[in-house]
Amino acid sequence: QQQVKQSPQSLIVQKGGISIINCAYENTAFDYFPWYQQFPGKGPALLIAIRPDVSEKKEGRFTISFNKSAKQFSLHIMDSQPGDSATYFCAASSESNYQLIWGAGTKLIIKP
Amino acid sequence: DADVTQTPRNRITKTGKRIMLECSQTKGHDRMYWYRQDPGLGLRLIYYSFDVKDINKGEISDGYSVSRQAQAKFSLSLESAIPNQTALYFCATSAEGYGGYTFGSGTRLTVV
Repeated sequence: QQQVKQSPQSLIVQKGGISIINCAYENTAFDYFPWYQQFPGKGPALLIAIRPDVSEKKEGRFTISFNKSAKQFSLHIMDSQPGDSATYFCAASSESNYQLIWGAGTKLIIKP
Repeated sequence: DADVTQTPRNRITKTGKRIMLECSQTKGHDRMYWYRQDPGLGLRLIYYSFDVKDINKGEISDGYSVSRQAQAKFSLSLESAIPNQTALYFCATSAEGYGGYTFGSGTRLTVV
């Protein structure tokens, strides 16, 4: 019940296309859903996060869509660029201890 | 200076040797974490500490130990390294409450 399931494991998208990464969770107590971006040789860094009181949050080309009834959330990268090539992790936490439970990661490659 | 500093950045050690990985942070956060990252396996939690006197095992603590020397310092030890512990190790910090984790740049450890 604590797991966060992330798919796909890897993704190749053409430059200018839309990249979509999906995550699903079981624990209905989760109420904070961040996405992290990791470049090779670096630690993950917070990209964007959402609380369940909204269904969508947008920051530039990055959008989180949240479906509370389905217990799913996704990251959309519009107009994908080669510089977006990285590993993306979704995560979730609850106010019981605020500790993040991580998805397994998606390696995204944007082809020029 | 980086908010979270890990030393060393790279280390090659022999099977059976004791090794310590160090982490220091300037974020002023109480919470610190050690993660291990293997290709395709995402981030796995080794140990975490919510304050200086509170240390907890994560999902893969066997073969590892930690020490929280101060609010800002959290070190990870491998008492007797084995090749199976070859991986990328990350330290992270967070504040209590909703918000991001700040990761260090990682230590790439190779056990031969």
